[in-house]
Amino acid sequence: IVLTQSPGTLSLSPGERATLFCRANQTVSSNYLAWYQQKFGQAPRLLIYDASSRATGIPNRFSGSGSGTDFILTITRLEPEDFAVYYCQQYGSSPPETFGQGTKVEVK
Amino acid sequence: EVQLVESGGGLVQVGGSLRLSCAASGFGFGNYWMTWVRQAPGKVLEWVANIKQDGNEKWYVDSVKDRFTISRDNGKSSLYLQMDSLRAEDTAIYYCARAKEVSSPPLLYYFDYWGQGTLVTVSS
Repeated sequence: IVLTQSPGTLSLSPGERATLFCRANQTVSSNYLAWYQQKFGQAPRLLIYDASSRATGIPNRFSGSGSGTDFILTITRLEPEDFAVYYCQQYGSSPPETFGQGTKVEVK
Repeated sequence: EVQLVESGGGLVQVGGSLRLSCAASGFGFGNYWMTWVRQAPGKVLEWVANIKQDGNEKWYVDSVKDRFTISRDNGKSSLYLQMDSLRAEDTAIYYCARAKEVSSPPLLYYFDYWGQGTLVTVSS
């Protein structure tokens, strides 16, 4: 399965809403899709799994939605620490280690 | 608290070898598949290898087959990656990550905890 993330870069201001897209070229079984955040110079961190479940310790301004081939990560009000690169990963079919190419959320 | 701490990266010449280690703590290491994921400078994440809880099943991305070997020592809660015949394109930060299994077989998982990574630079 190939994952295509859009947009490549999102330029927003703190307090604004961010909407990130992840599209698969085939149906993602059981909506097994995860989102990760990677800040500059840091390791990725799991944000969302099973398309819409927040990982431990993730603030509720992060939410995931979608099903089938189209998935969305929404950050309701951007905090300064949210400016980062976001990746999606599908694990509904083997091999599960397929990542999207990432969306960079930058300060406008 | 789950912690994964990688070590062993460095500068090596093309054709050389390195052994990466990942020390795990804060969870039952022997209960999880474990993985290595790498990220070349400015590039996206690429899964490299994974290993089953008992070490008896291992999988690799095609580009590292027959050159890299993943292994583990559950008694020491440690994961390893032996990298031989290194190429310039192996230059990357290598992350140790825990696999959160949702199905097996087939093996389906996401990565729920990551280490901070160790940089491997292969110079020609």
